[in-house]
Amino acid sequence: DARVTQTPRHKVTEMGQEVTMRCQPILGHNTVFWYRQTMMQGLELLAYFRNRAPLDDSGMPKDRFSAEMPDATLATLKIQPSEPRDSAVYFCASGWGLVAVLQETQYFGPGTRLLVL
Amino acid sequence: GENVEQHPSTLSVQEGDSAVIKCTYSDSASNYFPWYKQELGKGPQLIIDIRSNVGEKKDQRIAVTLNKTAKHFSLHITETQPEDSAVYFCAAEDWPGTYKYIFGTGTRLKVLA
Repeated sequence: DARVTQTPRHKVTEMGQEVTMRCQPILGHNTVFWYRQTMMQGLELLAYFRNRAPLDDSGMPKDRFSAEMPDATLATLKIQPSEPRDSAVYFCASGWGLVAVLQETQYFGPGTRLLVL
Repeated sequence: GENVEQHPSTLSVQEGDSAVIKCTYSDSASNYFPWYKQELGKGPQLIIDIRSNVGEKKDQRIAVTLNKTAKHFSLHITETQPEDSAVYFCAAEDWPGTYKYIFGTGTRLKVLA
């Protein structure tokens, strides 16, 4: 049963520290998404990649957030420096798609629950 | 860009009754509409989806209907069970081919035993 995996599942850190979240997409998927979920804002798209190239990161605060895909099996989301307002659940999702082709499903990971004190 | 509105925000039903959640979208070019179920402490899981060339789709107790003219789609759960209690999100494709979804704000469904 192929699944998206995320590490760590929980992270508590102090304001100003660097946070790195990792995601392993489903093997064969070429699109990876990072979402943030809070009670106030719901599910927000932060960034997404296709074939490891960033396609859109307009939802991400550029000054402190960065997202990369070092290889096809790993996506990372970094926050430096972290702030209390970054406390949220961060989800990675993966899927397979081609531009102008019918949409395929996004499969979500279990999330990383981040608390910044 | 696309905008998706979802109603109601909370819904309580008796076990065995039906539940209906409705979403409207703004971009008539959207072609794909998935529904996700999120249980406490877990990531959203796809439960059903529909494409614009289909008006209705069923999977056991779950069905989705799409009205492209009115730009709304609905999730129907029949014979509800306590394990159906969760938050349900609708979504619509942002622009055809972008592979981005715009999510609704969620409906917290509580099935009372």
